[in-house]
Amino acid sequence: GIQVEQSPPDLILQEGANSTLRCNFSDSVNNLQWFHQNPWGQLINLFYIPSGTKQNGRLSATTVATERYSLLYISSSQTTDSGVYFCAVYSGNQFYFGTGTSLTVIP
Amino acid sequence: DVKVTQSSRYLVKRTGEKVFLECVQDMDHENMFWYRQDPGLGLRLIYFSYDVKMKEKGDIPEGYSVSREKKERFSLILESASTNQTSMYLCASTTGPGKNRGYTFGSGTRLTVV
Repeated sequence: GIQVEQSPPDLILQEGANSTLRCNFSDSVNNLQWFHQNPWGQLINLFYIPSGTKQNGRLSATTVATERYSLLYISSSQTTDSGVYFCAVYSGNQFYFGTGTSLTVIP
Repeated sequence: DVKVTQSSRYLVKRTGEKVFLECVQDMDHENMFWYRQDPGLGLRLIYFSYDVKMKEKGDIPEGYSVSREKKERFSLILESASTNQTSMYLCASTTGPGKNRGYTFGSGTRLTVV
């Protein structure tokens, strides 16, 4: 299957700081999603982004499919942004997940 | 918005019990999936299903089975629960190939086997 690597594995930010999370994948993919797992364990879809750039409030994402990577930008971070961020890429008939970036935003 | 509902948020079962985890989606999605999530191992695919009565093994199917008698419902069955099946279980659904618009996840079931 496809290998999905996320970096950094852990990130600690002061509230108000900006950050960039990266997702590299090993082969061509049809689709890509970014998820945020909240402290209760639920995976919340942030972006469905097979290519291009999308923005939603303080979050934005860019996928460059030809170069096999995607970036998630978080601006003006808040404590509620804490949690684990997963990238998942779709190939064949299933999604393949990265191991996530654990983000902690401190006040 | 599509909704994926898992029947229990927390579950405690004894070793050797048969355990049923239920997942229901309300948007007529063809594909449904069961994952387990463990610290340091990320999400691992257990089973998935393309259609009613169809199932495919994922990466870690041992000790599990599934049932999909109706399109909206996908059940995960632990035939004889063991302590190494203590985990967070996540169900997801999506539309079929060529129409894929991404996964939607349920809220998860934290299963503890004692």
